Amino acid sequence: GIQVEQSPPDLILQEGANSTLRCNFSDSVNNLQWFHQNPWGQLINLFYIPSGTKQNGRLSATTVATERYSLLYISSSQTTDSGVYFCAAQDDKIIFGKGTRLHILP
Amino acid sequence: SQTIHQWPATLVQPVGSPLSLECTVEGTSNPNLYWYRQAAGRGLQLLFYSVGIGQISSEVPQNLSASRPQDRQFILSSKKLLLSDSGFYLCAWSRHTGNPYNEQFFGPGTRLTVL
Repeated sequence: GIQVEQSPPDLILQEGANSTLRCNFSDSVNNLQWFHQNPWGQLINLFYIPSGTKQNGRLSATTVATERYSLLYISSSQTTDSGVYFCAAQDDKIIFGKGTRLHILP
Repeated sequence: SQTIHQWPATLVQPVGSPLSLECTVEGTSNPNLYWYRQAAGRGLQLLFYSVGIGQISSEVPQNLSASRPQDRQFILSSKKLLLSDSGFYLCAWSRHTGNPYNEQFFGPGTRLTVL
């Protein structure tokens, strides 16, 4: 089955910094999603992006399906951006990566 | 708008006791429904999914079972809990189309501790 790898596993940044999170997948996918899990465990949908680029405020995402990766950009980080970011890729099954734990320092 | 509810929010159960976790969705009909488990704060594993009443697909053989007695209700059960069943259980839904893996939306989760 498809393998999903996220990098980096952990990231510590100062408030106001920009960051790029990466999601690699081993085979072609039908769908790809990015989620943010807040400290209370809630999974929040960020992007549903099987291909192309989308932007929502300070966040944007790009999926290059032919090269089997997706990137999540966070600009001007805030402490509320802290948490774990997951990507989930789907061929005939949905597979989650292990996540990137982001900690934004005030 | 659609909302998804899970209860209880937290649960502490002894080994060998039964389990029943409930998930309900409002504001949509005939959704696809999913149960996931997250262990040790990382990585979600799909346990079960359902595309309709009474239709359950199991992704991972284990000590758990799922049922869908009503259109927007999904239940996760166990007859006898194991220590390894501890974790964070998340229910999710997606719109029903021919693809069982459309964009998914998650509930608040149930944190289960088995002692």
